[in-house]
Amino acid sequence: GDSVTQMEGPVTLSEEAFLTINCTYTATGYPSLFWYVQYPGEGLQLLLKATKADDKGSNKGFEATYRKETTSFHLEKGSVQVSDSAVYFCALRKAAGNKLTFGGGTRVLVKP
Amino acid sequence: DGGITQSPKYLFRKEGQNVTLSCEQNLNHDAMYWYRQDPGQGLRLIYYSQIVNDFQKGDIAEGYSVSREKKESFPLTVTSAQKNPTAFYLCASSQTGTSGTDTQYFGPGTRLTVL
Repeated sequence: GDSVTQMEGPVTLSEEAFLTINCTYTATGYPSLFWYVQYPGEGLQLLLKATKADDKGSNKGFEATYRKETTSFHLEKGSVQVSDSAVYFCALRKAAGNKLTFGGGTRVLVKP
Repeated sequence: DGGITQSPKYLFRKEGQNVTLSCEQNLNHDAMYWYRQDPGQGLRLIYYSQIVNDFQKGDIAEGYSVSREKKESFPLTVTSAQKNPTAFYLCASSQTGTSGTDTQYFGPGTRLTVL
C-alpha cells in the first residue's frame, strides 16, 4: 500500500539555521504531495503542495520539490524562526482518491 | 470567515459511553473527513463523505459511526465498541472528493479523553 516516511524528530535548531526535513514516499501512479504544519494544540494547516513531478511548492519561506526519480519531497527553509517550532507532516494523495496518507510527523524546535 | 469548526475542544467521557464530536464547515465543500491522531503518530482516516447522505469507511472505522444529513455537517460518534478512544480527532473538508489535487482543510480538533 501507499506510505510516507519522514525523518524522526525532534529536530532542534538555533534561530536563523537552515532546516531540512526529509520525506520519501511509496505509491503507485502519480500522487499529489503535501506538507502540513501543526502548532501545539491546533489542527493542521496546509503549508505547501505539489501536484506533479518537478513542481516546487513554496510558502512562508519553505520550499519542497517533487522528485519522482527519488520519490522524495523534502522540506527546506533557509532561515528558521522561533515561530516555526511545530510538527510538520508530509502527506500524499492519489490522483483519484480521497485519502491523505500521512507520515509520522517531525517535531521541530527552534531556540532563540 | 470561512472555515471548519469543531466542538468541543476538550471532551471527557467515562468508559462505555458513546460520545458525538461535532464538525461544521461553511466553505461549501462537498467532501468531509474524520481523522484520528495519536501521540507521536501521523493521522489515520476514520470515515469520509463525498456528498450528502453518503459516506465510506476509512482505514480505522471500527467502533465509530458518522452521518451526513447536511452538506455543512459531519458528526462523528465514538461508540463503546472503540477499544482505545482516547485521541485527538481532526475533521477536514475539501472542495470535491474525487480530485487528488484538492486541498484538504482541517479544523482545530477535539481532544477526547476516556476516563
